[in-house]
Amino acid sequence: ETAVFQTPNYHVTQVGNEVSFNCKQTLGHDTMYWYKQDSKKLLKIMFSYNNKQLIVNETVPRRFSPQSSDKAHLNLRIKSVEPEDSAVYLCASSLRGYEQYFGPGTRLTVL
Amino acid sequence: GEQVEQLPSSLIVQEGASVLINCSYTDSASVYFPWYKQEPGKRLQFIIDIRSNMERKQNQRLTLLFDKKTKHLSLHITATQPGDSAIYFCSANPLSGSFNKLTFGAGTRLAVCP
Repeated sequence: ETAVFQTPNYHVTQVGNEVSFNCKQTLGHDTMYWYKQDSKKLLKIMFSYNNKQLIVNETVPRRFSPQSSDKAHLNLRIKSVEPEDSAVYLCASSLRGYEQYFGPGTRLTVL
Repeated sequence: GEQVEQLPSSLIVQEGASVLINCSYTDSASVYFPWYKQEPGKRLQFIIDIRSNMERKQNQRLTLLFDKKTKHLSLHITATQPGDSAIYFCSANPLSGSFNKLTFGAGTRLAVCP
């Protein structure tokens, strides 16, 4: 099956903990993204990465960091989570920035 | 940075009606405008796109119009069905590598009543 896969589906954690989310795409795309979707369904791009360049949205707090081992994988690490980090994190991929394919999302709840 | 505004924020229509969703953007560097749909509990799904060198694109019941001068797009959905009920997102993309300028509108919630 060719798609974008994310794990875990849900994660509940305490303030100050570190969390890590995984994303894999089997579509052969060259660019991957992480988005944050808040409770009002607003979508904000956090990072984009292709095999040449990582681009960071300058508004993203430094406790967020992407990690990539190859062009099919882009993980997201959050050091020391805060309550406002509660959201759904969406991973996506595309070919050269065109039509994006999205994963099902990871819902993070910070207590 | 780029700002994308969508109107209306929500719509309720009877099955069979047509709907129009408007989208405007601010940054003339944006050249690619994909639209996505998010049904309840499902992942975001691409539905149609247009590039800045085009004025119109159609995909079955979807028609997307683009006006470069006014920086305005409109998505027309005809013969709506309950399965069209979703949040529709407009987005603007410079495609130039500055992906942090890739911006989504706040979405239009469409409910189609049978």
